[in-house]
Amino acid sequence: GIQVEQSPPDLILQEGANSTLRCNFSDSVNNLQWFHQNPWGQLINLFYIPSGTKQNGRLSATTVATERYSLLYISSSQTTDSGVYFCAADQNEKLTFGTGTRLTIIP
Amino acid sequence: DTEVTQTPKHLVMGMTNKKSLKCEQHMGHRAMYWYKQKAKKPPELMFVYSYEKLSINESVPSRFSPECPNSSLLNLHLHALQPEDSALYLCASSQQLGQPQHFGDGTRLSIL
Repeated sequence: GIQVEQSPPDLILQEGANSTLRCNFSDSVNNLQWFHQNPWGQLINLFYIPSGTKQNGRLSATTVATERYSLLYISSSQTTDSGVYFCAADQNEKLTFGTGTRLTIIP
Repeated sequence: DTEVTQTPKHLVMGMTNKKSLKCEQHMGHRAMYWYKQKAKKPPELMFVYSYEKLSINESVPSRFSPECPNSSLLNLHLHALQPEDSALYLCASSQQLGQPQHFGDGTRLSIL
């Protein structure tokens, strides 16, 4: 099956910093989704982004499907951004989650 | 608050018990999903339903039995589970297959 790798695995930043999270996938996909799982386990859909760039407030995402990667940008980090960020690749109507990036924002 | 509601939030059961997890959505979505997530791991797909029909079973053991009685409701029936089945069970829905998925808060299951 498809392999989905994320980097870095862990990231610790000061409040106000910017960050870039990367997602590489091993095969062609129908779409790519980004999720944030907060410390209570709630999984929130951030972006549905098969290709191109989308922005939502301080967050933006870019997927380059031909090169099999996606990037999530977080600007002006806040403590509420802490948690685990997953990308998930949709292939044959099955969503495969990446390995995750654990983000910790320090006040 | 999420628009996908899962009950119960926590469940502790013995290996000989029978219990069910419930998932409900009222967004008119026609695809629903069950995922299993172990601690510090990503969610793993278990089952996919599309228009109340089982579309995908990811080789899940028969002690997990899904059911989709109507377009708003998805159940997961549990029987004779093993300690390694302890995990967070997440339900999700999407408008159609291949569309953005929206997750419930999950059921934390512990098998004694």
